[in-house]
Amino acid sequence: AQSVTQLDSQVPVFEEAPVELRCNYSSSVSVYLFWYVQYPNQGLQLLLKYLSGSTLVKGINGFEAEFNKSQTSFHLRKPSVHISDTAEYFCAVSVRSNTGKLIFGQGTTLQVKP
Amino acid sequence: KAGVTQTPRYLIKTRGQQVTLSCSPISGHRSVSWYQQTPGQGLQFLFEYFSETQRNKGNFPGRFSGRQFSNSRSEMNVSTLELGDSALYLCASSLTESNTGELFFGEGSRLTVL
Repeated sequence: AQSVTQLDSQVPVFEEAPVELRCNYSSSVSVYLFWYVQYPNQGLQLLLKYLSGSTLVKGINGFEAEFNKSQTSFHLRKPSVHISDTAEYFCAVSVRSNTGKLIFGQGTTLQVKP
Repeated sequence: KAGVTQTPRYLIKTRGQQVTLSCSPISGHRSVSWYQQTPGQGLQFLFEYFSETQRNKGNFPGRFSGRQFSNSRSEMNVSTLELGDSALYLCASSLTESNTGELFFGEGSRLTVL
């Protein structure tokens, strides 16, 4: 079975500061990795995904993530956050042999302060 | 291009009743999946449909069911509602059944069971 652990439930940060949201996963088989963002009262939006190839993945809104197979991690980073980045962020995995089913972490609330 | 549309957006039911939620995917998308989001359990996969066939099912009791129509629209039904079924139910669509593609989420149907 697969599981995803997001190590921080809340991350407060000042505007224009860098941020890292941590994600670790557990799986006995190869997986695909995703980060989604959810703004208040909205559905989820894909930020970025890792399928294969380069371990550094760039996404929308200036976010990037690095896949580390040995540490089974997929941490999300942004060098300079904006107030508008305040949202909940979800890390997710899906099994390569499966279809459509995503296993989500519990989410990390990013609170950007002025 | 219209996004994923879920109806109703909000609804209140009482224990023992049943509810049907509807999801219209993005035009041309043939895969629809459903997720339950609660503060305690987070995002949990319910089921996935592709070309009117259920391809995957999560660990939910038989009270939770779904179907997909020939136009790719999907419905999910919950019978004999329990207080614990109160949640945001999210529908997501994708172009194919492959899990390498992006899931596009609707804004959800918020169900309150009294």
